[in-house]
Amino acid sequence: QQKVQQSPESLIVPEGGMASLNCTSSDRNVDYFWWYRQHSGKSPKMLMSIFSNGEKEEGRFTVHLNKASLHTSLHIRDSQPSDSALYLCAASITGSFNKLTFGAGTRLAVCP
Amino acid sequence: AQTIHQWPVAEIKAVGSPLSLGCTIKGKSSPNLYWYWQATGGTLQQLFYSITVGQVESVVQLNLSASRPKDDQFILSTEKLLLSHSGFYLCAWSLGVEVFFGKGTRLTVV
Repeated sequence: QQKVQQSPESLIVPEGGMASLNCTSSDRNVDYFWWYRQHSGKSPKMLMSIFSNGEKEEGRFTVHLNKASLHTSLHIRDSQPSDSALYLCAASITGSFNKLTFGAGTRLAVCP
Repeated sequence: AQTIHQWPVAEIKAVGSPLSLGCTIKGKSSPNLYWYWQATGGTLQQLFYSITVGQVESVVQLNLSASRPKDDQFILSTEKLLLSHSGFYLCAWSLGVEVFFGKGTRLTVV
């Protein structure tokens, strides 16, 4: 069964700093990754998705993907207190989007 | 615009009692529908998915069942709740790659 491992479990960064989160899949068939953000008591909201090798940037958020190692990372620059949340990585196989597997998440705290 | 409505927002139920949670998706025709569960401090787990009316696939066995009686409706239920059923239940939909979540139901089994 596919597993999605996220690290670190928790992360504290100062306001204005850079947060870096990691995610790796154990299934070599996986080729699509998502990053979701879940504020406390709320439902997850998708931040970014990536399926091509390389980098994708949207505002303060940058996602990297290395398909050979099945590793993706999310980087948040100029972190804000409102970025404090649980960040979930999810993976699936093209054509099998019905089966989305989530990691346990990284809990990010941004301190003023 | 598409909307997803889940009910109830929260429930406190006794062990052994029945449960029915629901969600309705408006503004999208024939979406894929999903039930997810998140134990407190736990990982988000997909429980069921449905790609069409009347057809539901189970992903994880938790003594729960799901049904899709209408194109826009997805129901999660059990006849006897266990303490381990406590958590956050999320209904979700997709028509392609991205999955959109409802606001969730917080269930506490006592």
